[in-house]
Amino acid sequence: KAGVTQTPRYLIKTRGQQVTLSCSPISGHRSVSWYQQTPGQGLQFLFEYFSETQRNKGNFPGRFSGRQFSNSRSEMNVSTLELGDSALYLCASSLPTGGNEQFFGPGTRLTVL
Amino acid sequence: AQSVTQLGSHVSVSEGALVLLRCNYSSSVPPYLFWYVQYPNQGLQLLLKYTSAATLVKGINGFEAEFKKSETSFHLTKPSAHMSDAAEYFCAVTETGNQFYFGTGTSLTVIP
Repeated sequence: KAGVTQTPRYLIKTRGQQVTLSCSPISGHRSVSWYQQTPGQGLQFLFEYFSETQRNKGNFPGRFSGRQFSNSRSEMNVSTLELGDSALYLCASSLPTGGNEQFFGPGTRLTVL
Repeated sequence: AQSVTQLGSHVSVSEGALVLLRCNYSSSVPPYLFWYVQYPNQGLQLLLKYTSAATLVKGINGFEAEFKKSETSFHLTKPSAHMSDAAEYFCAVTETGNQFYFGTGTSLTVIP
């Protein structure tokens, strides 16, 4: 089985721009979660999608949004980029029941200048 | 509310010494618990998970963890550290499988 893939792997943007990141989950996984990882902060939960619906949302401003398509692929969008948005954005997919672990992609490294 | 606390953001051990990484959780119901490892410029990889079967869980690369309900702990151990164990380690908890809560991570350094 192919793993979770994320594109692009690296992005450089300037303040005020917007960015879209893409995630393709493992085949059969319908739950996709997004995390922001910064040094010292660990993984901060952004949101989780299941069957094209956002089921859970973390404590991030509305500039951060996402969606999921019928094939379970997911995108997240960040508008009006700020310097503090520079981070590694990780996508994870899982089977949506309690004991199943999340499988992570390699992440997209976003740098905002 | 669920949360995870990892004591010690940085841990250094000598090669061949015991590795002990601490994780305490809070959960209102019996949780599912996980340990992940992250190598530089990579995503997270599952080391092991606790899903209410045996309280002592064995994972990959010689790691194991023990679920102690009375102490709300799920500490990660390895009897003998290797240089290749140097990485960032994350503990995570979920009650439903819908939303995972991660600790802030522990960076493990192995000294030759």
